[in-house]
Amino acid sequence: AQSVTQLGSHVSVSEGALVLLRCNYSSSVPPYLFWYVQYPNQGLQLLLKYTSAATLVKGINGFEAEFKKSETSFHLTKPSAHMSDAAEYFCAVSAAGANFNKFYFGSGTKLNVKP
Amino acid sequence: DSGVTQTPKHLITATGQRVTLRCSPRSGDLSVYWYQQSLDQGLQFLIQYYNGEERAKGNILERFSAQQFPDLHSELNLSSLELGDSALYFCASSVKPGGAEAFFGQGTRLTVV
Repeated sequence: AQSVTQLGSHVSVSEGALVLLRCNYSSSVPPYLFWYVQYPNQGLQLLLKYTSAATLVKGINGFEAEFKKSETSFHLTKPSAHMSDAAEYFCAVSAAGANFNKFYFGSGTKLNVKP
Repeated sequence: DSGVTQTPKHLITATGQRVTLRCSPRSGDLSVYWYQQSLDQGLQFLIQYYNGEERAKGNILERFSAQQFPDLHSELNLSSLELGDSALYFCASSVKPGGAEAFFGQGTRLTVV
C-alpha cells in the first residue's frame, strides 16, 4: 500500500528565501512520486515527477525535488521564493509498474510568501 | 490549460437529487480518473477508467457511479445527494494506465443544499 505524509500544513517564507516543503512516502513497491501545485479555484498542475531515473528531479518554475530512498522522502525545494509561488502544494505517490494508477495524495501544504 | 475539460464548473442542487458531472480527457489520453476534494477529507481517489474499462476503485460510495464512453469522455453520476457530498470533484487523465502523471481539469464545485 502507498501513502504520503506532508509535514506542515502551512509554511511561510519571505520573498527571496529558500522554500522547503517536506514529503515522506510509504510504498511496498517502487514508487512514482509527484508534486502538484493548486492555485485558488484552480485544478492541480504538475510541478515535477520522479519515475526511477535521476534522483534529483527538476520541475517547472524553478522547483526541484530529491528522491531519497533511505529516508523515504521526496522534499520539494526552490532556492528563492517568489510572490507568485503562494499556493497549495500536494505530494503524491503511485505504484510504479502497475497497470492502474491509484494516486495517493498528501494532505497538502499551503505556502505563504511574505513581501 | 491542462487540456482536460470538466463541465459544469459549478452545480448547486438539493439533498436527495442526482447529478452528472462530465469530463473530456486530453487528446490522446486513454485513462480517466475522478477525485473528490473536500476540506475534511482532502483529495480522495474515487475511480479510474482506461479505454472504457474500470481499472481501479478508491473510496467511492455506492451512491456514486462512473463510466467512460467509446469517445473516451467520462461521466460521474452522484445520486441521493447528501450535504456531505458538497466538494470539488476533479477529473484527470493520462496516457498510460499506470505510472504516468495525471493532468487535472479545473474541477466541478458541487454544493448540496
